[in-house]
Amino acid sequence: SQELEQSPQSLIVQEGKNLTINCTSSKTLYGLYWYKQKYGEGLIFLMMLQKGGEEKSHEKITAKLDEKKQQSSLHITASQPSHAGIYLCGALAGGTSYGKLTFGQGTILTVHP
Amino acid sequence: SQTIHQWPATLVQPVGSPLSLECTVEGTSNPNLYWYRQAAGRGLQLLFYSVGIGQISSEVPQNLSASRPQDRQFILSSKKLLLSDSGFYLCAYRQGFMNTEAFFGQGTRLTVV
Repeated sequence: SQELEQSPQSLIVQEGKNLTINCTSSKTLYGLYWYKQKYGEGLIFLMMLQKGGEEKSHEKITAKLDEKKQQSSLHITASQPSHAGIYLCGALAGGTSYGKLTFGQGTILTVHP
Repeated sequence: SQTIHQWPATLVQPVGSPLSLECTVEGTSNPNLYWYRQAAGRGLQLLFYSVGIGQISSEVPQNLSASRPQDRQFILSSKKLLLSDSGFYLCAYRQGFMNTEAFFGQGTRLTVV
């Protein structure tokens, strides 16, 4: 089965600093999702990447999917306290499990003002 | 517009009692539906997913079961709860099989005492 590994597991940064979260898959990614979650709440959709080399941005958050489609990175520029939360990457399985959507273990981001 | 409803928001149940969590989706048809459990505010463990009425794929052998009695209704159940069933349960849906966004409900915090 497909495994997603996120790094780092937790991250503490000072406001205004840039940061990167990585998501590595054990298999080719057919669809890669990034979500943000505040503790005890549902997940907020950030971005979805489909094609190798694809890059998308939303406000100060940029996500990329590498050419081989086995790794994605999420980059936050000039972080703010509002960026704090848990970031999760999710991926669709291919083949006969096309409906299956699994997630990494999450990265806890803390931003100090 | 499409929306997803999940209830209740919080639930405290004694060990050995039954469980029924409900998730409904509005504004779409034939969605893929998912149940996840999240422990300690970290990654999501996929419990069940369904690509159609009456079609349930179980990912983790456990004390839980799922049913999809209607196209846009997904139910998570247990006949007898265990302490280890405590956690944060999330329902999600996707439209279609590939390359579509997944949206989440607000979650149910289950505490088994």
